[in-house]
Amino acid sequence: DAGVIQSPRHEVTEMGQEVTLRCKPISGHDYLFWYRQTMMRGLELLIYFNNNVPIDDSGMPEDRFSAKMPNASFSTLKIQPSEPRDSAVYFCASSRLAGLQETQYFGPGTRLLVL
Amino acid sequence: AQSVTQLGSHVSVSEGALVLLRCNYSSSVPPYLFWYVQYPNQGLQLLLKYTSAATLVKGINGFEAEFKKSETSFHLTKPSAHMSDAAEYFCAVSDQGRDDKIIFGKGTRLHILP
Repeated sequence: DAGVIQSPRHEVTEMGQEVTLRCKPISGHDYLFWYRQTMMRGLELLIYFNNNVPIDDSGMPEDRFSAKMPNASFSTLKIQPSEPRDSAVYFCASSRLAGLQETQYFGPGTRLLVL
Repeated sequence: AQSVTQLGSHVSVSEGALVLLRCNYSSSVPPYLFWYVQYPNQGLQLLLKYTSAATLVKGINGFEAEFKKSETSFHLTKPSAHMSDAAEYFCAVSDQGRDDKIIFGKGTRLHILP
């Protein structure tokens, strides 16, 4: 298995631009998680899906952030408009059924820099 | 709500010395507990997890952790540090029967001194 795939690996953009991050979970995994990692705040859960349905988006910082999962093999995290404080590493992770004791498998992350 | 505290954002040990990374949790019910490792420029990967079976859990790369309910702790240890252990380590907790998400600590960066 290729593991969780994220693209792009690096993104540099200017303030005000739209940014779209992409994730392909491991096949057969029903849970998908989006995290943000910064030096100041550590690893934060933004949103997670179960069977393509958003379950908890309480970690999404603002309305500028949105996430979708149109099918079981693809998810996007969009920031519009982007701001310098959005600069961070964004991770996607997936796990199998009934997640609490299940291992989460992380992608390599997207390093976002907003100028 | 559940939470996890990692003591020490940076820990340095000499190669060959004991590694001890501390984690204390707060949970209203018996928790599931995890240790993840993040190598530079990579995503997190699971080291080990406690899911209410044996209290001493063995993981990959010679790491182990012991669940101590009385101390609400789940410290990570390795008898002899290797240079390749240099990474950031995250403790995480989830509550059985609650949300399907886990809460990560802020991480401890382990430095190995030659």
